Amino acid sequence: DQQVKQNSPSLSVQEGRISILNCDYTNSMFDYFLWYKKYPAEGPTFLISISSIKDKNEDGRFTVFLNKSAKHLSLHIVPSQPGDSAVYFCAANYGGSQGNLIFGKGTKLSVKP
Amino acid sequence: KAGVTQTPRYLIKTRGQQVTLSCSPISGHRSVSWYQQTPGQGLQFLFEYFSETQRNKGNFPGRFSGRQFSNSRSEMNVSTLELGDSALYLCASSPSGGRFTDTQYFGPGTRLTVL
Repeated sequence: DQQVKQNSPSLSVQEGRISILNCDYTNSMFDYFLWYKKYPAEGPTFLISISSIKDKNEDGRFTVFLNKSAKHLSLHIVPSQPGDSAVYFCAANYGGSQGNLIFGKGTKLSVKP
Repeated sequence: KAGVTQTPRYLIKTRGQQVTLSCSPISGHRSVSWYQQTPGQGLQFLFEYFSETQRNKGNFPGRFSGRQFSNSRSEMNVSTLELGDSALYLCASSPSGGRFTDTQYFGPGTRLTVL
């Protein structure tokens, strides 16, 4: 039973426009959420995180929104750039350490020039 | 600072064999986690070690084991390999695994193929 779901396997966006990647979770115990980006042949790279006491966190072009009542989070990338083309993973966690992340299956983002 | 290194990068084994993968965390990092990535299941948590002690464990059979040494280097072992163990095995390290404060850094992974 998947606790973290990314229902869109792929997303294609034009350069300069907004990319919105979505993630749903089922475990109400989760209180820390992260987004990772992964290029082929490399390990995932941390992008941005949010704790459950917030509903928004921003870092440059990346903003994560958390809707606890809907158990939904989203990652907004504005403006999208061709270098953003990668697989994006949503992850969630609860408990004493960050070392046991539960990941979604990823969304492949393609940003077209 | 050097990143997380994993050796070997590629490995081919046959069913029934055992395999040991190695991970060297970023210098000063004491938390090391292991994940398995497959096309069907995505990234799944295997276990986390901190200061030579297993701190968290995922839902994998006992054939999967690990350990951490005093220099924080970690190894994972898979015994009696099955075809379904073919995957990319990723290691991640962070200073203490602390939530809200630490960032986990992933290595490039070891691609294991079981024939």
